[in-house]
Amino acid sequence: SQQGEEDPQALSIQEGENATMNCSYKTSINNLQWYRQNSGRGLVHLILIRSNEREKHSGRLRVTLDTSKKSSSLLITASRAADTASYFCATDPYNTDKLIFGTGTRLQVFP
Amino acid sequence: GAVVSQHPSRVICKSGTSVKIECRSLDFQATTMFWYRQFPKQSLMLMATSNEGSKATYEQGVEKDKFLINHASLTLSTLTVTSAHPEDSSFYICSAPTTVANVLTFGAGSRLTVL
Repeated sequence: SQQGEEDPQALSIQEGENATMNCSYKTSINNLQWYRQNSGRGLVHLILIRSNEREKHSGRLRVTLDTSKKSSSLLITASRAADTASYFCATDPYNTDKLIFGTGTRLQVFP
Repeated sequence: GAVVSQHPSRVICKSGTSVKIECRSLDFQATTMFWYRQFPKQSLMLMATSNEGSKATYEQGVEKDKFLINHASLTLSTLTVTSAHPEDSSFYICSAPTTVANVLTFGAGSRLTVL
């Protein structure tokens, strides 16, 4: 399977703390994306980082990419209860138009 | 921004019946749409790529005759689960690419329960 893996599978933190999720993948990629999914809903795109980028910021989100290790991390700073959701990384392997999703991290932020 | 509407959000059917799920791009044209299946607390598994005006491309292990996909127009793709059985119960999600490199806009998903 080409599916990437994320860790941790589940993460529980208090409001105000930072949350870090990691993603590992298997093939060479054009870019890597992070998506959020609220329970029972579709996914929402958060951020995209290209294979020639190492770090990217968007609001409280910080994404890093290490293509030599085939890994990425998503950091959510100053978390809020509303950040409670599942977070998925997704890669688009070279020469395909598909997105392959990671296994996901379920984040619970307690008020 | 790009919006994808998926209907119905929930459907319950009896074993042996067929169920159709619709996915519409509301404010943009989608020559390609992707259909995913998701089991509880698991990731999305790509089932097939829907192509406007041509046959869908199915992933390995997905039964073409079981999961019929039609992409009749630039704004509508449908997934029909034929002769549904309880093991087909799942969360089905469609998505379409936006103009940004491979960024997908997702429908809200359809939860299918087969009794």
